[in-house]
Parts: sequence; structure tokens; C-alpha cells
Amino acid sequence: GIQVEQSPPDLILQEGANSTLRCNFSDSVNNLQWFHQNPWGQLINLFYIPSGTKQNGRLSATTVATERYSLLYISSSQTTDSGVYFCAVQRGGSEKLVFGKGTKLTVNP
Amino acid sequence: GAVVSQHPSRVICKSGTSVKIECRSLDFQATTMFWYRQFPKQSLMLMATSNEGSKATYEQGVEKDKFLINHASLTLSTLTVTSAHPEDSSFYICSARDSLSGNTIYFGEGSWLTVV
Repeated sequence: GIQVEQSPPDLILQEGANSTLRCNFSDSVNNLQWFHQNPWGQLINLFYIPSGTKQNGRLSATTVATERYSLLYISSSQTTDSGVYFCAVQRGGSEKLVFGKGTKLTVNP
Repeated sequence: GAVVSQHPSRVICKSGTSVKIECRSLDFQATTMFWYRQFPKQSLMLMATSNEGSKATYEQGVEKDKFLINHASLTLSTLTVTSAHPEDSSFYICSARDSLSGNTIYFGEGSWLTVV
């Protein structure tokens, strides 16, 4: 099946710093989503981004489908950004989302 | 935006008993819902795909007789963990696809199950 690799696995930042999280996938996809899982387990949908670039406040994401990767940018990070960020993909003809192992982000005050 | 609600958020049960977890799509209809399991500090693993009005499709290695899934309406799917054992303790989370919003998939709040 399709492989989803996220990097880095762990990231520690000082408040106010910027960061880039990466998601590589091994085959073509028709859906890619970025999620933030907070410390209570809640998964928050950040972006539905099978291709192109989107921005939402301090967050933005870019997916280059032809090169099979996606990037999540976090600018001016805040302590509330802490948690695990997951990338998940969906292949054509399947409704299943395949998750990467996540990037654990810790933002220190 | 679309909301998926899960209940209960936390449950503790005794070994050998059964526990039911509900997943509801609150403002959209979902013909398909998904159930995931997440162990501490690990990623989400798909357990089964719940199809409204038909049998669920289970992933390889998931015991269908142990994890009963029912999707009786377009807004409700239930997961019943039967004859629970301590190794079933985990975080269970459901999701549903809102086909009217561009196929974005939304997740419930998750349910922490502890079997003692």
C-alpha cells in the first residue's frame, strides 16, 4: 500500500519561531489532509490540499502532487500550536485515509 | 463547518463486559464512516469502514466479532467492543466524509477506553 512519511518526528521551538513540516508519499493521491491532534486527542482538520497552496492565518500548506510531497508552514508559533501534526492521504478509488506517523511539535514559552 | 460527535469521550469498563461508542455526523449525512484506533504516541490505524445499511468492511487483522460496527442511519455509526480485555484499552476515533464539502474528512473527538 501507499507509504506516508513525515519529518521531522519531533520538533521543539521557542514561541515566535517559524517551522516547516514535511510529508512525503509514495504514490499518486487524490486527497491529502493535514491534521492537528491536541493533547486531549482531538483531531482538527487544518487543510484539505491535494495540490496547490492554501493559507489560513499563521498556517499555510503546499502540496506538489507531481513530486509527491506536501509542506505545512507554521509562522510565529504559539504554545497552543503544540501537539502532533498528521498528514493523511487518500488514493483514487479508495475512501481510506492513510496516516503518517506524525510530527510532535512542542512550542515553549 | 461539518461536525462529528463521539460519545462517550471516556469510558472505563470491567474485563469481559461490552462497551458501545457512538459516532454522529451532526450537520451532514454520511453514507460512510470510519473507525480508527490509536495507541499512545502512535499514529491512527484504520480498523473498519462503516457503510450505511450494509456490513462494515474490516481491515486485515481486525476481529469483526470483537469489534461490532453498526451503521443504521445516515448520521450514526456505533462501535461495540465485546468481551473487552485490558489490551483493548486504547483511543478510538471515528470520522465521516462530507461529500458536499469537497470530500473533506472530519473526525470525532475520540473516545478513551480503559478496560480494568
